[in-house]
This record gives sequence, C-alpha cells and structure tokens, in this order.
Amino acid sequence: DGGITQSPKYLFRKEGQNVTLSCEQNLNHDAMYWYRQDPGQGLRLIYYSQIVNDFQKGDIAEGYSVSREKKESFPLTVTSAQKNPTAFYLCASSAQTGLWEKLFFGSGTQLSVL
Amino acid sequence: GQQLNQSPQSMFIQEGEDVSMNCTSSSIFNTWLWYKQDPGEGPVLLIALYKAGELTSNGRLTAQFGITRKDSFLNISASIPSDVGIYFCAGLTSSGNTPLVFGKGTRLSVIA
Repeated sequence: DGGITQSPKYLFRKEGQNVTLSCEQNLNHDAMYWYRQDPGQGLRLIYYSQIVNDFQKGDIAEGYSVSREKKESFPLTVTSAQKNPTAFYLCASSAQTGLWEKLFFGSGTQLSVL
Repeated sequence: GQQLNQSPQSMFIQEGEDVSMNCTSSSIFNTWLWYKQDPGEGPVLLIALYKAGELTSNGRLTAQFGITRKDSFLNISASIPSDVGIYFCAGLTSSGNTPLVFGKGTRLSVIA
C-alpha cells in the first residue's frame, strides 16, 4: 500500500539531547513537509522540501533541522535549541514540485520531554 | 500572515443530529480543503473545493466553497459515533506558491 510512514510513534527526549523523527513515503511525491501540532492549535509549518536536496524554512523553523537526500525520505531533527519540543509532529507529502496543493499526512509522532 | 477563523472551536451533539462548521478569512482563497483528524492520528483529506460556489459531497459530508471566496462550510448529516474527531479547514491562494493555511480546528464529540 502507498502511504507515508512516520516513526517512532512515541519519542522521549532528555534535556540537551537531539532527536530525529523519521518520515518515509512511497507515493512518489516530490514535495514533503513537517508540521507541529500543539493541543487546541492548528498545524504550524516547520520546514518543507519541494525537491530533493532543497528545503525551505516554515513559520517555526528555529530549533529544528532537516535533510532531503532522497525523494522518499525527509527526517526532522529536534535540536537542544528547541526549548519547548513537546508536541505532536506530522509529516506530509504532495505530488507536485513548486506548487502547493492538497497534502497527505502520516500518522504522527508524539514527542515528549523527560 | 494569512489566517483562517474556524468555528465553532468545539461542539457536543447527539447521535443522529446534523452538524455545521465554517471557516472564514479576510483573504481570498482559490482552493478550500477539509480534513478530519482522529485522536493520535494524522489528518485525512475529506473534501477538496476548487471553484467559488462549488458544492461537493462525500457520503454524509457536504462542503461548500463560498461565493466570496473568503469562506467555506462543512456539514455532516445524521452524525454517528465515528464522526468524533477534529475537523480542519485549509486554504490555498491563487498562485499556489504560498503554503497552505490551516484553521485551528473544530473538535466534534458525539453523544450516543
């Protein structure tokens, strides 16, 4: 089945630690995205990549980093500089490069701080 | 930046009742999307609207693209327990080269 796979489902971070969230898609989509969701809030864009080896900052990129070395993979690293990392993180993809359109989401990763 | 005002924030309804929610903006959008998010899962696309005045159905769900292009409505008829979740609207501008804008969601609870 085609889809977007996020792992792990639950992740715990210690103070001062970097953690990496995985996102893989087999939809052959060009564009991939990371969103952060806090309780009672909408989705806020962290980073997006519309083509391999290129990515752009979203509204809340500080304290996060990404890479896009392969079309099917877009991992997100939550660095120690992100002081309030507890949130639900959603990865998404869309078919076309350079054009925003409807997004397809993974099932999310819940990150909590120990 | 652009914002979408989604209302109501939450609602509690009896099973079998109809539900209506909406999104409004001060900006014009050329595409409206409605998503549903089950607890602990990612949003799933329900309906996409591409033309002002368009009315589109997906089973018991009906969504409309407002004629001013600044609003959209989602109706759910004869609600059932599995309708529980958060419903998000999202809008796209005409150029397509600016990010999707999301509303903050409507949390729906259905009482059996």
